[in-house]
Amino acid sequence: QLQLQESGPGLVKPSETLSLTCSVSSDSITSSSYFWGWIRQPPGKGLEWIGSMYYSGSAYYNPSLKSRVTISVDTSKKQFSLKLNSVTAADTAVYYCVRGPAAGTWPFDYWGQGILVTVSS
Amino acid sequence: DIQMTQSPSSLSASVGDRVTITCRASQSISRYLNWYQQKPGKAPKLLIYAASSLQSGVPSRFSGSGSGTDFTVTISSLQPEDFATYYCQQSYNNPQTFGQGTKVEVK
Repeated sequence: QLQLQESGPGLVKPSETLSLTCSVSSDSITSSSYFWGWIRQPPGKGLEWIGSMYYSGSAYYNPSLKSRVTISVDTSKKQFSLKLNSVTAADTAVYYCVRGPAAGTWPFDYWGQGILVTVSS
Repeated sequence: DIQMTQSPSSLSASVGDRVTITCRASQSISRYLNWYQQKPGKAPKLLIYAASSLQSGVPSRFSGSGSGTDFTVTISSLQPEDFATYYCQQSYNNPQTFGQGTKVEVK
């Protein structure tokens, strides 16, 4: 059973960079059969796709965040990361790392437990 | 961006009820539609992908249908563990977008 685990600071100051890491429990991170991504959920609100990265190295980001976000994968550490710069209070949310099959309708079939990141001075 | 609109936003139901939630896309998304269930304080869980395919391990009382712009998820006989919020998601193009959610509450 694949497990994803988010880690990183729970509190980030405005204008700084939010950095999160997702640890993957299996070697599937080295497989071309999957993509890896991030989704967030502000407290009490709905889900927002942040972006996804594919085995080819191609990354796709939500245009609403595109200028501020970077997703990268480190297969040697079995981790992938999210960096979101110039954060504001609007970036306060639970951040989930996700995996999905790089085929079919690309659903998010595995989710981390989520990590609450608060943006506040 | 493709807008996903779910209805109703919330509903009250009893154990054993048949429950149907609708999701409408602002343009055709073929069958690139996935459904998730989220319980309070937990990550969403994939229920249905490609509009009607049941994810492994999901009870058969869940079913999905639709294509193009109109989709539904049905719970044939609501169980106590099914009280949760349900989200649809389109993966037809980027940015991938979710519906606003439908909360299924105890009547």
